Amino acid sequence: DAGVIQSPRHEVTEMGQEVTLRCKPISGHNSLFWYRQTMMRGLELLIYFNNNVPIDDSGMPEDRFSAKMPNASFSTLKIQPSEPRDSAVYFCASSNPGFQPQHFGDGTRLSIL
Amino acid sequence: QQPVQSPQAVILREGEDAVINCSSSKALYSVHWYRQKHGEAPVFLMILLKGGEQKGHEKISASFNEKKQQSSLYLTASQLSYSGTYFCGTEPVKAAGNKLTFGGGTRVLVKP
Repeated sequence: DAGVIQSPRHEVTEMGQEVTLRCKPISGHNSLFWYRQTMMRGLELLIYFNNNVPIDDSGMPEDRFSAKMPNASFSTLKIQPSEPRDSAVYFCASSNPGFQPQHFGDGTRLSIL
Repeated sequence: QQPVQSPQAVILREGEDAVINCSSSKALYSVHWYRQKHGEAPVFLMILLKGGEQKGHEKISASFNEKKQQSSLYLTASQLSYSGTYFCGTEPVKAAGNKLTFGGGTRVLVKP
């Protein structure tokens, strides 16, 4: 079975540019999560969706960040404009509802110069 | 609020045992454990639910003490493959379902 698929794997861009990260969850999973991982802050939940609906976006750092899930098989995390402090590894994870394991994608390593 | 993991790091010789603790200031419904190897994604190990029993995965097991709001992960007869960073993710009582707050991680290095 295919796991969670994220793209791109690596992104290097200059500050001020728009960045779009993409995620395809495991088929049949109802919940999707976006995380950010840095050495300083660890693994932080940014936003999560249940049945394509955003449930909790309290972890989104500021208005420059936005996330969408137009259908059950696709989600995007957008940063506009990007800043050097946004540099991190961004993970997408999906799961079935109700205290089930979260399956992580391989992540996108983002570097903002 | 982020759960607190201890120790922050541990170095073991192959075959030795270790315990990693995860403590929360909030009442917990579930605790998830994940292992992440360098440059890779976190991988699920096990979930412990309130009222549930001790779980096991290979020679890795865990317990959940509801009264202390604490979970412990036991690495028994460690193998080289156990090296990595271990994270606990906690879910408080009355949560929306599957929203986890992760601890800061415990780095484990198993040497030959």
